[in-house]
Amino acid sequence: DSGVTQTPKHLITATGQRVTLRCSPRSGDLSVYWYQQSLDQGLQFLIQYYNGEERAKGNILERFSAQQFPDLHSELNLSSLELGDSALYFCASSVVSSGANVLTFGAGSRLTVL
Amino acid sequence: GENVEQHPSTLSVQEGDSAVIKCTYSDSASNYFPWYKQELGKGPQLIIDIRSNVGEKKDQRIAVTLNKTAKHFSLHITETQPEDSAVYFCAAKGRSGSTLGRLYFGRGTQLTVWP
Repeated sequence: DSGVTQTPKHLITATGQRVTLRCSPRSGDLSVYWYQQSLDQGLQFLIQYYNGEERAKGNILERFSAQQFPDLHSELNLSSLELGDSALYFCASSVVSSGANVLTFGAGSRLTVL
Repeated sequence: GENVEQHPSTLSVQEGDSAVIKCTYSDSASNYFPWYKQELGKGPQLIIDIRSNVGEKKDQRIAVTLNKTAKHFSLHITETQPEDSAVYFCAAKGRSGSTLGRLYFGRGTQLTVWP
C-alpha cells in the first residue's frame, strides 16, 4: 500500500457520460498530480495541485477538470466522455512542489468508455 | 518544455543477465532524474533516483548513471530475476517556467526476465 488511495478501481461507462475519480494523498503530502496512462502514450501529465491551488497544467482536455479540497483530497472530473478517454488514471502525491519531487502513486482508476 | 526519450521499448533477458535502459532529456537545466517500476495492475513505484551533482548511484542490484554533458542517463540492473519483470519509466524534472517541478516521463520499457 503506497498510502495514496484512489477510487473507484474500475469504472465502466458510456460515451457522453460524466465520471468523477477521487484521490486521497499520502498523509503529509501537499501536492497532488493526475496522470493518464493509455497503451501507446505512456504517462501523460494532466494537472497538479499544491495545497488547494492549481500549480501546473499539462495535456488536460477542456472536458476534464480537477480540484483539490481543504482536506487535500482531489477529484478529477471527466465529462462528455469519448471512447478515447478509456485509460488508467493515476493520482500521485508528493511533499513539496519542487525540489526532488518524489512522487508516490496510487494504484490507479481504470476507466472504460463503451 | 522537457522531452524525455526512452529506449528500448521492450527488453527480454535471461535470468542472471544484466539489463540496461537508456534515456535522454532535452532541458540542460533539469537536475533530478528518478526511475519508476510499474508492476502489472499497480501504480509506478520509485526504485532509484539521481541528482545532477552525482554521476552514479547504486542500490544493491540497481544502478543509475548520469552524463550531464550528453544529457542522458541509464538504469542498470544486474543479476536479473523474474520478479524484475515490469515496465520501467525514466523521468526528468523540469526547472524553468511552466515546467518547474513537473516530472516528464519517458514512454516506458517493458522488461521481461526469463527463468
